[in-house]
Amino acid sequence: AQSVAQPEDQVNVAEGNPLTVKCTYSVSGNPYLFWYVQYPNRGLQFLLKYITGDNLVKGSYGFEAEFNKSQTSFHLKKPSALVSDSALYFCAVRDGGSGNTPLVFGKGTRLSVIA
Amino acid sequence: EAGVAQSPRYKIIEKRQSVAFWCNPISGHATLYWYQQILGQGPKLLIQFQNNGVVDDSQLPKDRFSAERLKGVDSTLKIQPAKLEDSAVYLCASSLRSQGPLRIYNEQFFGPGTRLTVL
Repeated sequence: AQSVAQPEDQVNVAEGNPLTVKCTYSVSGNPYLFWYVQYPNRGLQFLLKYITGDNLVKGSYGFEAEFNKSQTSFHLKKPSALVSDSALYFCAVRDGGSGNTPLVFGKGTRLSVIA
Repeated sequence: EAGVAQSPRYKIIEKRQSVAFWCNPISGHATLYWYQQILGQGPKLLIQFQNNGVVDDSQLPKDRFSAERLKGVDSTLKIQPAKLEDSAVYLCASSLRSQGPLRIYNEQFFGPGTRLTVL
């Protein structure tokens, strides 16, 4: 069965500084990896995904993530944080080797960007 | 393009009462998902539909939860009777159907959710 770990409940970063939100995964087949963001009282919004190809994936709002197979990680990064990036971030994984396996989410990391 | 619509946005009920949630997916999206998101946790899939057929309902508590998508478009999720531990946000998502020999995976688009409080 697949699983996702987001080891940090909360990440605090000053505006303008680089940010990293950590994610590690476990899956038996090929990992399909995703990042979603959730703003208060709103649904999850898709940021980016890794299916295959280049290990560095670029997504919405200047975010990027790097797939590291040996470390089974898919950390979310942004070179310069904005106050408006403050939200709840979810990493998710799906076993790409199976036809209809569900998307499994981590418990989320709350990002707080301080002006 | 209109997003995934859900109603109601908020619902407060007492335990043992019944409740129903409605979802209208993005037009043309054959796949529809219902998730339960308990406070402090990530969303957990309850049920997945492909058109009007159930693909995965392995995590749906079938003794009290039911869902249907009769015409392959909108869907309802029902809880009867509700328990205190059902308090959560119920998210609906939709995606294009995975298809082709490579089973291209299409990302899911989420609605705003329904926040259920069971007293």
